[in-house]
Order: sequence, then C-alpha cells, then structure tokens
Amino acid sequence: QQQVKQSPQSLIVQKGGISIINCAYENTAFDYFPWYQQFPGKGPALLIAIRPDVSEKKEGRFTISFNKSAKQFSLHIMDSQPGDSATYFCAASMIKAAGNKLTFGGGTRVLVKP
Amino acid sequence: DTEVTQTPKHLVMGMTNKKSLKCEQHMGHRAMYWYKQKAKKPPELMFVYSYEKLSINESVPSRFSPECPNSSLLNLHLHALQPEDSALYLCASSRPGQGNTEAFFGQGTRLTVV
Repeated sequence: QQQVKQSPQSLIVQKGGISIINCAYENTAFDYFPWYQQFPGKGPALLIAIRPDVSEKKEGRFTISFNKSAKQFSLHIMDSQPGDSATYFCAASMIKAAGNKLTFGGGTRVLVKP
Repeated sequence: DTEVTQTPKHLVMGMTNKKSLKCEQHMGHRAMYWYKQKAKKPPELMFVYSYEKLSINESVPSRFSPECPNSSLLNLHLHALQPEDSALYLCASSRPGQGNTEAFFGQGTRLTVV
C-alpha cells in the first residue's frame, strides 16, 4: 500500500522557472513531512520539513505548502537553477520514541535546463 | 559534525560470500536506520535501531543481519545474498522521539551481487 503518492514522476523546467512537486498522503497519523534531495550516487539530503500545524514554510528558494484537510503538501522551487537538477522525494512519518520511520513518495526527477 | 559515514562505498560480492557494511555517526543520535534503494525508486526501510535495540524489522530476509555495537556504530552483515539484492544501501540516523527528527543519510554503499 503506497501511503504517500508523489507527482509528477519527472519534470523539466527552464532556468529561472518554478518547479512544483505535489504529494498526497493517506494516514492522518503522520505528523512530520520532510522533503529530500538526492543527486546520483549520493544519499538523500534533507531539504526542508514541515509539521501539520503550519500551512507554509519557506527556506531560501524552497517553499513547502501544506493542506491538512486535503492531506496534501507540495514543494515549490523558485528561480530553479541547473544545480537543482536532482531527484526529490517527499516523505511522511509519525514521530515516535522508537525512531522516525520515513515513508517516501515515489520521487520526482527534476531537470533544469540552462 | 553532521556526517553519517558509510564504508565501503562500493562492494562486489559473490552469492556465497559473507561481507559487512559499516555505518558511523558522531551526532549523538540514538536512532539508526538501514534503507535499501533500487535504481529510480525511493529508499525502503529495512531496520530501525533505537537506543541500540532493534525496534523495527520490516520483514527483511535473514540473509541480512543488522548489528548495533554501540550508539555510534551500525553494521549490516550480509550472507548468501541473491543478485536481486544488488542496490544502494543507505544508513541514516536521527534523534528518536519528539522534537528535532531530522534524519541524516550517509552516501550509501553500492552493492553488486554476482
């Protein structure tokens, strides 16, 4: 059962444009929603994260929008740069003492054309 | 130091071999994880250790055997693997429980089973 659905699978954007990636989740017990960026041959790196009590969070060119009632959240990459070309994963988890078990979306491969 | 260090970076092993993957972090994190990632797929959780005790085993075959010797080290012992076990194996760590749950990933070990 895929608990976090991510779209689109791939995205091509011109330099300076906006990249938008969407995720939807099913489990209302999720209470932590991070986005990870992964370059080929590297491990995922945390980009930005949000809790369900916040509707938007911005860090530099990256913004998460969160809609609790719709069970959806999205990543906006403003002024996209060729160096942003990577695979992006949304994720969700339930914060528990046993550890932060992440459930990942399927990933979006972003290509920023110069 | 916000690094999770994995060794080796690459490993080729035969189906009858025994090998081990190693992971080390010095961030004081008490939750450590093993993930498996196939090409163009998201990471899939294998094991979670919390305070050096195995807390989650995602029904992983017994040919994969995790070990957490202390709060900084995590090993994954491999024995009698199959070619379909070839993948990128990722280690991660985080603080368990409430508060900062940011998970840091290592660069991974690229495993090829021949």
